[in-house]
Amino acid sequence: GIQVEQSPPDLILQEGANSTLRCNFSDSVNNLQWFHQNPWGQLINLFYIPSGTKQNGRLSATTVATERYSLLYISSSQTTDSGVYFCAVWPPRGGGADGLTFGKGTHLIIQP
Amino acid sequence: DAGVIQSPRHEVTEMGQEVTLRCKPISGHNSLFWYRQTMMRGLELLIYFNNNVPIDDSGMPEDRFSAKMPNASFSTLKIQPSEPRDSAVYFCASSLVGFEQFFGPGTRLTVL
Repeated sequence: GIQVEQSPPDLILQEGANSTLRCNFSDSVNNLQWFHQNPWGQLINLFYIPSGTKQNGRLSATTVATERYSLLYISSSQTTDSGVYFCAVWPPRGGGADGLTFGKGTHLIIQP
Repeated sequence: DAGVIQSPRHEVTEMGQEVTLRCKPISGHNSLFWYRQTMMRGLELLIYFNNNVPIDDSGMPEDRFSAKMPNASFSTLKIQPSEPRDSAVYFCASSLVGFEQFFGPGTRLTVL
């Protein structure tokens, strides 16, 4: 099946710093989502981004589907940004929705 | 609008007991997914339904696991008999076919 690799696996930053999280995938995908899993375990949708660039406040994401990678940018980090960031892809199959294949995540800690 | 609703939020049971997890998808969504999250295996798809019909259950670990979707607003995941290695967080997600998936808060299952 498709492989999803995220880097770095762990990241510790000071409040106010910027960061870039990367997601590489081994095959073409129909779609891609970024999630934030907060310390309470809830999976929060960040971006639904098959290609191109999107921005939402301090967060933005870029997917280059032809080169099989996506980037998540976090600017001016806050302690509430701490948690695990997951990239998940939809592998290509015939018709209909399929389950997401998740990467192992980037564990981000923002220190005050 | 209500998101995906799961119950119970926490379940502690003894080995050999039957466990039933419940999910109510977002109204109007026609795809429903069950995922499991463990430290060892991360987030993995168990089964998904399109228009109440099971499409792919290849992720279901063994015959002790079963899932049903009797109507568009309700699904169950049953484990019988439960084993300690089934301890995990079980997530339900829903979407319109082919579009962004939204996750419920999860059910944390502990099998003693």
